[in-house]
This record gives sequence, structure tokens and C-alpha cells, in this order.
Amino acid sequence: KAGVTQTPRYLIKTRGQQVTLSCSPISGHRSVSWYQQTPGQGLQFLFEYFSETQRNKGNFPGRFSGRQFSNSRSEMNVSTLELGDSALYLCASSPGTGRTEAFFGQGTRLTVV
Amino acid sequence: GQQLNQSPQSMFIQEGEDVSMNCTSSSIFNTWLWYKQDPGEGPVLLIALYKAGELTSNGRLTAQFGTTRKDSFLNISASIPSDVGIYFCAGSNTGNQFYFGTGTSLTVIP
Repeated sequence: KAGVTQTPRYLIKTRGQQVTLSCSPISGHRSVSWYQQTPGQGLQFLFEYFSETQRNKGNFPGRFSGRQFSNSRSEMNVSTLELGDSALYLCASSPGTGRTEAFFGQGTRLTVV
Repeated sequence: GQQLNQSPQSMFIQEGEDVSMNCTSSSIFNTWLWYKQDPGEGPVLLIALYKAGELTSNGRLTAQFGTTRKDSFLNISASIPSDVGIYFCAGSNTGNQFYFGTGTSLTVIP
């Protein structure tokens, strides 16, 4: 069974630009969650999508948004990038029902300059 | 967002020694997960716990769901060099929204 695939692995953007990150979950999994990891704040929950609907949302500004497609693939978008958005963005795949467990992808390293 | 208190922050141990780390929260959780993360990679799920008092093993790793539901513990027996990495606990009481610990950095000296 293929794991969680995140693309791209690395990204460099300029302040003010926007960026879209992609995540393909494990086959059969219907839930995709996004996390931001920084040295100062650690791993923080952004949002979760299940069956194309946002099911949970963390405390991040509206510049951070996401969506999920009918095949469970998910995208995360960050608009008007700030230097502080530089982080490792991780996607977690879960069945979505039954026991809760989350499997992470390798992440996308975003650098904002 | 909420962060869990994880201790110790770092550990330097000799190969073959046992390791213990724990995680505490001010909130009750229904699920505790333990992860290991290598530099530049995503966290890898080690153990999942779903019931207060539950004790679960995965090879040399053993984790426990605290009876108060506000804490969890991870033990690694007979450490080996490949155990090096950062270990994270994560708790949830709402579906797949997890709160993560601050991490324990483990160094194993051969």
C-alpha cells in the first residue's frame, strides 16, 4: 500500500506570493489533516478534511485554506505569504471513521524570502 | 494552540540502556499516539492507544495510556543507534485533530 505523498518537497517563495501544496492520502483513507511544524511552535494543527468537507479547524488566520477532492486528495493554500510562514507543512492521512490514527507524509519545506 | 508537556526535552544514553519519556496534558484525551521523526522527514507512527490504562507494545517499544487520560508514557528497551531521533506524543479528543508534545530528542551513544 502506498504511503502519504506530498508535493512538492521543497518550495521557495517571496513575501506576498501565494502557494499551493498537495497531499495524496493512503488509498481508502478519507480524512486528510494538515499541520505546520516550526522550531518555535512545534507541530500545530491547521485543519482536517473528511469527504470533501472541513471537519475541524485550528487557530490559523484565513490566509490558510484548504480543500479536498472526491478522490480524497487535498490541497492547502497560503495567500499573501509572510516570512513567519516558513515551515515544514505536513499532511496526515486517516481512515476518517473508527479508530483514530494518523499517518504522515514527508512534508513540504516552505521557505519564504 | 494547545501543546502538551513532554519530558525530558533531550536524552543522551548509552547503547543498550532503557529509555523512558512521558507526556502530560491539562485536557483529557480519548486517543494518544506516539511518533518518531528523523530530520527533514515526516513523523512515523509508533504506537496508538485508545483506552485509559491500556499498555501496548511494538517490538522494543511500550506505551501506556495514563489512567487519568491526561498523560501517556513511552519506554524503549535496550536502545540501539537507529533509535536516534525526536519522539513526539500526540493527543486527541476530537476526531483527527491532534495536539502534539514538544518532543524528546534522543541520542544513543554507541
